[in-house]
Amino acid sequence: GENVEQHPSTLSVQEGDSAVIKCTYSDSASNYFPWYKQELGKGPQLIIDIRSNVGEKKDQRIAVTLNKTAKHFSLHITETQPEDSAVYFCAASSKSHASGGSYIPTFGRGTSLIVHP
Amino acid sequence: DTGVSQDPRHKITKRGQNVTFRCDPISEHNRLYWYRQTLGQGPEFLTYFQNEAQLEKSRLLSDRFSAERPKGSFSTLEIQRTEQGDSAMYLCASSASGSSYEQYFGPGTRLTVT
Repeated sequence: GENVEQHPSTLSVQEGDSAVIKCTYSDSASNYFPWYKQELGKGPQLIIDIRSNVGEKKDQRIAVTLNKTAKHFSLHITETQPEDSAVYFCAASSKSHASGGSYIPTFGRGTSLIVHP
Repeated sequence: DTGVSQDPRHKITKRGQNVTFRCDPISEHNRLYWYRQTLGQGPEFLTYFQNEAQLEKSRLLSDRFSAERPKGSFSTLEIQRTEQGDSAMYLCASSASGSSYEQYFGPGTRLTVT
C-alpha cells in the first residue's frame, strides 16, 4: 500500500516568513495530492490540492509543487500570519477500482506550524 | 447546509460498552467516508459508502466495528465491546460523485474509553 512521509514534524517561524512542508510517497500510481489544515478541536480542512498532470498550483499565499519522478510534493506558505498556526497534513491517493471510482487518501503524520507574532 | 456534521462531539465510555456515532454529510454528496485519528497521527481510512452501499473497508475495521448508511444520507458507526485502544477521534468526510477527489471533513467525535 501507499506510504507517505512528512517533514518536519514541527515548524516554528516568525510572522511574515515563509514555511515549507515536504512529503514523499511510495506508490507511483498515486495521482491526487491534497493538503489539509487542522486546527485544535476541528476536523481537517482542505486548503489546496494538486493532480499529477500539474507540476505547480498556487492560491494566494499558498502553493504546492509536485515532482512525480522523485515522488515528492511540497506545500509553501508565504507571508505567514499567526492564524496560519495549525497542523498541516499531506496526503497521496489514487483512484481505486474497488471503491466505485473514489480516491482514498493516505495521510502523512502532520506538521505542527507555529507562527510567532 | 454548511458542512459535514457529527454527533456527539465527545463520548466517554467504559471498557466493554457499545457506542454509536452519527455523521450527516453535505446534502448533495453521495460518498461518505469514516476515518480514525489518534494523537500525533494523520487520519486513517476505515470505510467508505457510495449512496447506501459500503464499497470498501480497511483492515483496521475489526469485527467489533460496523457502519451503516441505510438510506444513502446519514451514516452511523458502531463500536461494540469498546477497548482502551479504541480511544481516538472518529472523523467523517463526504464528497460528490462528479468531483470524486475533494473530501470535506466534519468536526469529529472524540471517543475516550476508560
